[in-house]
Amino acid sequence: GAVVSQHPSRVICKSGTSVKIECRSLDFQATTMFWYRQFPKKSLMLMATSNEGSKATYEQGVEKDKFLINHASLTLSTLTVTSAHPEDSSFYICSARARLTGNTEAFFGQGTRLTVV
Amino acid sequence: AQTVTQSQPEMSVQEAETVTLSCTYDTSESDYYLFWYKQPPSRQMILVIRQEAYKQQNATENRFSVNFQKAAKSFSLKISDSQLGDAAMYFCAYVNSGGGADGLTFGKGTHLIIQP
Repeated sequence: GAVVSQHPSRVICKSGTSVKIECRSLDFQATTMFWYRQFPKKSLMLMATSNEGSKATYEQGVEKDKFLINHASLTLSTLTVTSAHPEDSSFYICSARARLTGNTEAFFGQGTRLTVV
Repeated sequence: AQTVTQSQPEMSVQEAETVTLSCTYDTSESDYYLFWYKQPPSRQMILVIRQEAYKQQNATENRFSVNFQKAAKSFSLKISDSQLGDAAMYFCAYVNSGGGADGLTFGKGTHLIIQP
């Protein structure tokens, strides 16, 4: 199957700083990438959808100024958590959908565990 | 909005036996896809099986099969000959068909325990 690489896998940052998480599709072009958040022992909640070259679409209740998403190319999307606070600590997962094939299967990255201290 | 419900927070099964995980969903759409994902302790999401709503035949992947009841909006996963490596969180997920612009809607998950 297609490979989606997400980095870093773990990050610890100080409160008030910003953290960038990268999501790359390694062997396919992704027109659409998705960012999810998963709290401990909970399900995945869709945060936003990003399409290459356009602004991300955020789900209701997700602060677009706090969670900046950039999808500058068909293989890379980034999520920046700005002015992070302890309540932003969570597991963030990206997924990517393949271009052209109309494939509705979404391939997932390995996830990033963010801890804000 | 679509919703996905998994009513079993935890299930336990003896190794080599069969277990069924339940999932129901709510949608007003007629064309969509349903998935079962496995999330082991590594937290990597792994696709187990996929079902297109327009297909009446239930999907099967080796030891994994689904019972898709479109009218009842039910999508259960059967795992036959359970193995220790099957232990994980299992999430049922839904997405509208067409366009590929929609993210997945997940259920709350079922923690599957395999007893040796």
